[in-house]
Amino acid sequence: TQLLEQSPQFLSIQEGENLTVYCNSSSVFSSLQWYRQEPGEGPVLLVTVVTGGEVKKLKRLTFQFGDARKDSSLHITAAQPGDTGLYLCAGAGRGSNYKLTFGKGTLLTVNP
Amino acid sequence: NAGVTQTPKFQVLKTGQSMTLQCAQDMNHEYMSWYRQDPGMGLRLIHYSVGAGITDQGEVPNGYNVSRSTTEDFPLRLLSAAPSQTSVYFCASSYGAGEFRETQYFGPGTRLLVL
Repeated sequence: TQLLEQSPQFLSIQEGENLTVYCNSSSVFSSLQWYRQEPGEGPVLLVTVVTGGEVKKLKRLTFQFGDARKDSSLHITAAQPGDTGLYLCAGAGRGSNYKLTFGKGTLLTVNP
Repeated sequence: NAGVTQTPKFQVLKTGQSMTLQCAQDMNHEYMSWYRQDPGMGLRLIHYSVGAGITDQGEVPNGYNVSRSTTEDFPLRLLSAAPSQTSVYFCASSYGAGEFRETQYFGPGTRLLVL
């Protein structure tokens, strides 16, 4: 069974601060995805990383896939209240076809 | 495109009752799946389908049935509801091919309370 550990579980910061969320596993993943979920809605894909060491940027969000493809991080620069939400990482294992393993999520609150 | 739609949005059941959660997608995706989301547990896969007529069990299949008669629809049936099935249920679909084959497109969810 592949497990994804996310940390921290909860994060409350002030507007303008920087933060990093981590997603770690002992398993190798063929790809890793980050989703953001707002209250009362389904998760929405932010990014997919597929290559070890890959870095992707989405405005103030920077995503990195570990060299060994076992871990990933999400860094937000100058957080805004609109960034508030549940951030989920999800990994696709080799040979798992399309099935994903989800982490338990990081609940981010950005206070104005 | 409407994407992935789910009905109902909310449902209250009594223990032992049965019901069907509906899910439909208009993106011609081959793969569809059902997840449940509970506090502190993340998203857990219940059942999934790789195409019409093909279904398989996920991580937590007990108490649930699925069928896939068309590409568009993937209903989830609760056979005899139990309080442990109180949860938020999400249906998702994905292309199933190409570099981003695993990307899940989620519906808005069905919030189920079993008394």
